[in-house]
Amino acid sequence: EADIYQTPRYLVIGTGKKITLECSQTMGHDKMYWYQQDPGMELHLIHYSYGVNSTEKGDLSSESTVSRIRTEHFPLTLESARPSHTSQYLCASSEGGSWSGYTFGSGTRLTVV
Amino acid sequence: AQTVTQSQPEMSVQEAETVTLSCTYDTSESDYYLFWYKQPPSRQMILVIRQEAYKQQNATENRFSVNFQKAAKSFSLKISDSQLGDAAMYFCAYRGSNYKLTFGKGTLLTVNP
Repeated sequence: EADIYQTPRYLVIGTGKKITLECSQTMGHDKMYWYQQDPGMELHLIHYSYGVNSTEKGDLSSESTVSRIRTEHFPLTLESARPSHTSQYLCASSEGGSWSGYTFGSGTRLTVV
Repeated sequence: AQTVTQSQPEMSVQEAETVTLSCTYDTSESDYYLFWYKQPPSRQMILVIRQEAYKQQNATENRFSVNFQKAAKSFSLKISDSQLGDAAMYFCAYRGSNYKLTFGKGTLLTVNP
């Protein structure tokens, strides 16, 4: 069973709307990540956090923003959705010690019409 | 910056046969981790196997094994006795000193009954 939860699983929304994609993990991991997965399935890191009140932009420029007020919660917000934001968004987390890799959420498939 | 290359966009295998997926990477670091992840259609990304660069012994997990060639910067995945449930997109990934995972573009594996 997944210990990292993303909601909603699917979202269809109109252009210009503000949306927040939720991501929560129960493993106490200090590091969390957001990836955008394009239709060709390639993964691009858009945001990451190494702890509370720490957020950084990833390798792919994104108009989204993130916050990390609590260890377990790492929401992603789009202030004004556009069709170009249509994509799958994957959240992941990892621990800082003996490294076993990322644990991924089930993803949010966003469609902006 | 590190790069990960998967040169096989698609592969197919007969059920019960063996298939090898290729991955090469580029890095200037000496200590790092390598991973293979599996993403079934519309399902969560899960870790298949990992390899620590300082370990010469190739990792194995049941029917999955790797051929890690550090000097050649090669990290292939061998799936033995392929099963229908192995059908998925497989991603090779690299993690260096910054804890961020860099993914290849993926190989879509089809298993034929």
